[in-house]
Amino acid sequence: AQSVTQLDSHVSVSEGTPVLLRCNYSSSYSPSLFWYVQHPNKGLQLLLKYTSAATLVKGINGFEAEFKKSETSFHLTKPSAHMSDAAEYFCVVNSRIYNQGGKLIFGQGTELSVKP
Amino acid sequence: GAGVSQSPRYKVAKRGQDVALRCDPISGHVSLFWYQQALGQGPEFLTYFQNEAQLDKSGLPSDRFFAERPEGSVSTLKIQRTQQEDSAVYLCASSSKREVFTDTQYFGPGTRLTVL
Repeated sequence: AQSVTQLDSHVSVSEGTPVLLRCNYSSSYSPSLFWYVQHPNKGLQLLLKYTSAATLVKGINGFEAEFKKSETSFHLTKPSAHMSDAAEYFCVVNSRIYNQGGKLIFGQGTELSVKP
Repeated sequence: GAGVSQSPRYKVAKRGQDVALRCDPISGHVSLFWYQQALGQGPEFLTYFQNEAQLDKSGLPSDRFFAERPEGSVSTLKIQRTQQEDSAVYLCASSSKREVFTDTQYFGPGTRLTVL
């Protein structure tokens, strides 16, 4: 069965400093992994996804993530945080069960706070 | 083009009332998903449609929950005899189903249901 674990429920950084949000996955197959962001009272927005192509995936707003099979990790990073990055971030894995249409399995979320 | 839309955005119901939540997916998207997001949690899968066929409803928490997509476009999630534990944000997502395991799911803004 597929699952993801987000290692931090809350991360606080100062504006202009690097961001690291950690995610480990468990998968019986080659996984499809995603990071989504959720701003207050807004829908989930895809930041980036890994689908077995390049292991370093670049997303929107300067975010990127590296797929490391040996560590079963898919950590999200950004070199320099901006105030607008404050939001809830979800690491997500595709269930890879065809008749479920590839339902998504979400981690518990990491709340990112950015201090001025 | 337009994204996924949901209505109403907010719904307050008295315990025991029936509610209906609507989802308009992106035009032409074959797959439609419903997720439930409890406060402080990641979204959890409820049900999946491929066109008008409901292929998986394993996530529906009880027989009070019912979903339909009669013409393969708009979908309605109905909750009968609402209970306080049904209070959550209900998210709808759609995807093109070109590649089931790697497709991006596009989410609507959600309907926040509060049961008093």
